[in-house]
Amino acid sequence: GAGVSQSPSNKVTEKGKDVELRCDPISGHTALYWYRQRLGQGLEFLIYFQGNSAPDKSGLPSDRFSAERTGESVSTLTIQRTQQEDSAVYLCASSLRYNEQFFGPGTRLTVL
Amino acid sequence: QKEVEQNSGPLSVPEGAIASLNCTYSDRVSQSFFWYRQYSGKSPELIMSIYSNGDKEDGRFTAQLNKASQYVSLLIRDSQPSDSATYLCAGEDRSNDYKLSFGAGTTVTVRA
Repeated sequence: GAGVSQSPSNKVTEKGKDVELRCDPISGHTALYWYRQRLGQGLEFLIYFQGNSAPDKSGLPSDRFSAERTGESVSTLTIQRTQQEDSAVYLCASSLRYNEQFFGPGTRLTVL
Repeated sequence: QKEVEQNSGPLSVPEGAIASLNCTYSDRVSQSFFWYRQYSGKSPELIMSIYSNGDKEDGRFTAQLNKASQYVSLLIRDSQPSDSATYLCAGEDRSNDYKLSFGAGTTVTVRA
């Protein structure tokens, strides 16, 4: 498919465990974004990549959150020592021009 | 003032009617705007982009941008039950590396 893909689609983990979420952007899209959406809430910006660099990490909620991008393609968002308040849908989006962002299906994270 | 504000809704319209969604923006937001549709449990889907003053029509959707009054709207003509979703308005934040600033969303319910 030509769209943004994310894996896993669902992740259930125990409090204190680390999780890795993956995003495959649309081929050729240089910009990649991570958002968090809690149930019934709006989009919360986490981090933005232009190429492989992350000029803006201001949205990361704590130092437990980190992200990287390699080869101007795949990105992983890592959450260490997960907490129950981390439970949310994590959305990835990519864009090529004019900031038209295309979203992936998201990863639903549940921390027990 | 938030960068992008939407009338909170929810908005309920009968099938076949016009649904009108409005969004205002601050001086920090540049004049590229996007409307996303988000079905319950799904990720946002880009449905309209508008870059210049005036109207842009795509099927049953019309986006309107009024730079003087700093608002952007979305009209859904001949509303169908399948249009029931949350609609997100987004604009580029000039003061934030032109990243998208999203409104909180307006939930639309089309009554059959």
